[in-house]
Amino acid sequence: EPEVTQTPSHQVTQMGQEVILRCVPISNHLYFYWYRQILGQKVEFLVSFYNNEISEKSEIFDDQFSVERPDGSNFTLKIRSTKLEDSAMYFCASRAGTYPYEQYFGPGTRLTVT
Amino acid sequence: GEDVEQSLFLSVREGDSSVINCTYTDSSSTYLYWYKQEPGAGLQLLTYIFSNMDMKQDQRLTVLLNKKDKHLSLRIADTQTGDSAIYFCAGIRGGSYIPTFGRGTSLIVHP
Repeated sequence: EPEVTQTPSHQVTQMGQEVILRCVPISNHLYFYWYRQILGQKVEFLVSFYNNEISEKSEIFDDQFSVERPDGSNFTLKIRSTKLEDSAMYFCASRAGTYPYEQYFGPGTRLTVT
Repeated sequence: GEDVEQSLFLSVREGDSSVINCTYTDSSSTYLYWYKQEPGAGLQLLTYIFSNMDMKQDQRLTVLLNKKDKHLSLRIADTQTGDSAIYFCAGIRGGSYIPTFGRGTSLIVHP
């Protein structure tokens, strides 16, 4: 069964450094998402991406974040200058354009900022 | 926007039924989902229900939707230790298809 994959599974970085989290969505999906989950808290929406542009973003997704689909398969989230509070699990998700619109999630990347 | 609330913990004995409850605020939610998250893993879609349905059954899972009270529940029959996980309720905000998640209910199944 096709699945969303994410790399790396765990990333440790120092405050102020740039990180790029990578995702390979399911191949025939059209909509792509990033979420984050701070330990013990809700899964929070960051951004959605469709037709090579951001379609919606949350208040969390400020200027330090960016997304890109550099080729036909990868979908990346870049955090320009990491802060301690960016430590979280980051999930990528994708969906097809049809009913019932369910999103398929990757296993996540645990980002630890020290 | 949508707000989704769930109780945080549920403990059941193996073989019993589990009922996980969720309330949501947006009456225009068109689809409601239940996701399962096992330790260290991503969210796995378990089942969903369309807002014009009252009930959906899928093997051991039964979803009940009370639109008047904006209440959604997930019943797991014959709960097994492998069902131990965090269960998230999510609703789609009208028009955007982006789910809003609850905090998740941690289901603990003990022998």
